[in-house]
Amino acid sequence: SYVLTQAPSVSVAPGQTATITCGGNNIGSKRVHWYQQKPGQAPVLVVYDDFDRPSGIPERFSGSNSGDTATLTISSVDTGDEADYYCQVWDSSRDHRVFGGGTKLTVL
Amino acid sequence: QVQLQESGPGLVKPSQTLSLTCTVSGGSISSGGYYWSWIRQPPGKGLEWIGYMYFSGSSNYSPSLRSRVIISIDTSKNQFSLKLDSVTAADTAVYYCARESAVGAVNAFDIWGQGTVVIVSS
Repeated sequence: SYVLTQAPSVSVAPGQTATITCGGNNIGSKRVHWYQQKPGQAPVLVVYDDFDRPSGIPERFSGSNSGDTATLTISSVDTGDEADYYCQVWDSSRDHRVFGGGTKLTVL
Repeated sequence: QVQLQESGPGLVKPSQTLSLTCTVSGGSISSGGYYWSWIRQPPGKGLEWIGYMYFSGSSNYSPSLRSRVIISIDTSKNQFSLKLDSVTAADTAVYYCARESAVGAVNAFDIWGQGTVVIVSS
């Protein structure tokens, strides 16, 4: 089955840019979604189809996807962005949904 | 505004069957284009997709759970349900129901329930 790999944690200072990556075999050929999950809450979709944002999600959240790596970028990070972030794809060969292991973003 | 709400026992004994229901409000579960899914999250761990059901009856499950899981849909009650057989402590998790829809070129989980904690213990 298809595997997505994320670093367990990323730390960034307030006001800086956070980069969270998601690795997968030729992931650039798939559409990647990103979810934000704050403690005790359900996940929220923040980026879909590699780089599009649902309504209500700030422009500070952006994404890209090429080769074997998809990236979620959060600019001008603040403490409110502290959360776990998960990437997710559709494995079309099996019609399965696959999540990455998640990355904990800490704003120092 | 569509909302999802999970319900069911918070404690299940080992070897028994875990049963949860997700009630959909603010919209019809029979509306085409939506896939109704279950996702779980063990304590301190990441998200795991369990499976989905479409209102027409088609379904698909995670290969790791396929032998033990059934997702069903009750359009008259606007609900869908999860049954997981022969549970063990490893099935202890927060269970989420979620709607998957065509927000873009590929479906994404755009609406989630708040989650319900299920503990497997004697």
